[in-house]
This record gives sequence, structure tokens and C-alpha cells, in this order.
Amino acid sequence: KQEVTQIPAALSVPEGENLVLNCSFTDSAIYNLQWFRQDPGKGLTSLLLIQSSQREQTSGRLNASLDKSSGRSTLYIAASQPGDSATYLCAPPSGNTPLVFGKGTRLSVIA
Amino acid sequence: KAGVTQTPRYLIKTRGQQVTLSCSPISGHRSVSWYQQTPGQGLQFLFEYFSETQRNKGNFPGRFSGRQFSNSRSEMNVSTLELGDSALYLCASSFLSVADSYNEQFFGPGTRLTVL
Repeated sequence: KQEVTQIPAALSVPEGENLVLNCSFTDSAIYNLQWFRQDPGKGLTSLLLIQSSQREQTSGRLNASLDKSSGRSTLYIAASQPGDSATYLCAPPSGNTPLVFGKGTRLSVIA
Repeated sequence: KAGVTQTPRYLIKTRGQQVTLSCSPISGHRSVSWYQQTPGQGLQFLFEYFSETQRNKGNFPGRFSGRQFSNSRSEMNVSTLELGDSALYLCASSFLSVADSYNEQFFGPGTRLTVL
């Protein structure tokens, strides 16, 4: 059974900082891994999908890496902005379950 | 291209009642998955439908059920509501089913269910 841990649980940084969010998972036999952001009371917005054959994926100021052998993924956010404030969730699948979520990292970027 | 839509967006029910939530996937997507989000348990998988068939099911009681129509729209039903069913119910769609190969999941805005 897939278990996902995200560290830190919460993070508060000043605007402009580069930051790294960590995700670890127990079952490394995954097709790929997806990162999402969620604003309070809203649905999930897909940020990046890393295929199992890829090591990383980039979109704008976001870069996600995947190391299946160690069961880890990191999300790097460059030059953080107040609009980046949200909860970030990583979700590898597990067996027949589409997505298994961690508890998320709640990010607050202070202007 | 329109995103995933869910109706209603907000719902208030009382214990013992039943509720039906609706999800319309992105055009061309045949897989629809449902998730429950609560502050205590986080996001948990309910079930997945593909081509009108339930392919996978999470660990929820039989009061939670769903179905998918020929146009890929999906509904989930919760009978005999309990206070603990209060949650944000999220629907996600993808092009292929997990059983074939896992593709990117796109989420709707959710339905906020409050049980009094």
C-alpha cells in the first residue's frame, strides 16, 4: 500500500526566495507522479506530471524531479511570489488507485 | 476546452438523507475518479469508472456508490448520510483508465457537502 509523506507540513518564506518541497513514497513501482496545488476550498490544479522514464519536468518557475529508486520527488519553486501561496500536494499512483496523496505542504509567501 | 465540471457546488443535508453529486469530465476523457477530502483524513480515493464500468474502488462503506453514463458523465450517491460524510468531494478525469496506463488527472472544483 502506497504511503506518501510530504515535508515540511508548512512553510512561510519572504517573496523572492527559492524553495524546495519534498515528497517521499513507499511503493516505487509507479508509472509516474503528479504535483498539484490547491487553493483554500478549491479543487486541485495539476502543476507537473513526471513520467516514470523521466527524471525531471519543468514548467515556468517550477521544476519537479523524480527518483524512483529512493522513493522521492522534489518540487523546486524559483523566485517565489505571493500568488504561489497554496497547499502543494504530490500524488503517485499505487496499483489500481489513480492517485495517493500526501497531507501536503502549506506554503505562504510573504510580500 | 472546457474543464471538469461538478454540480452542485454546495449542498446542505441532514443525517439520514441521501445525496447525488454529478461530474462531467473533459471532452474525450473516459475515466472518472472520485475523491473525498476532509481535514482529518486528507484526500482519499473513492472509486474510478471507465467506459461505464467501475474499475477500482477505495475503502469506503457501501453507502457510497457511483455510476457512469455512456457520455462519460458520472454520478456518485451517498445514502443514509452521517455527520462524518461532510467533506469536499472531488472528481477527476483522465484520458485513459488506470488499468491501461496512468495518465494525467484533471480535477473539478468540487462539491462541498455539509451534513447537519
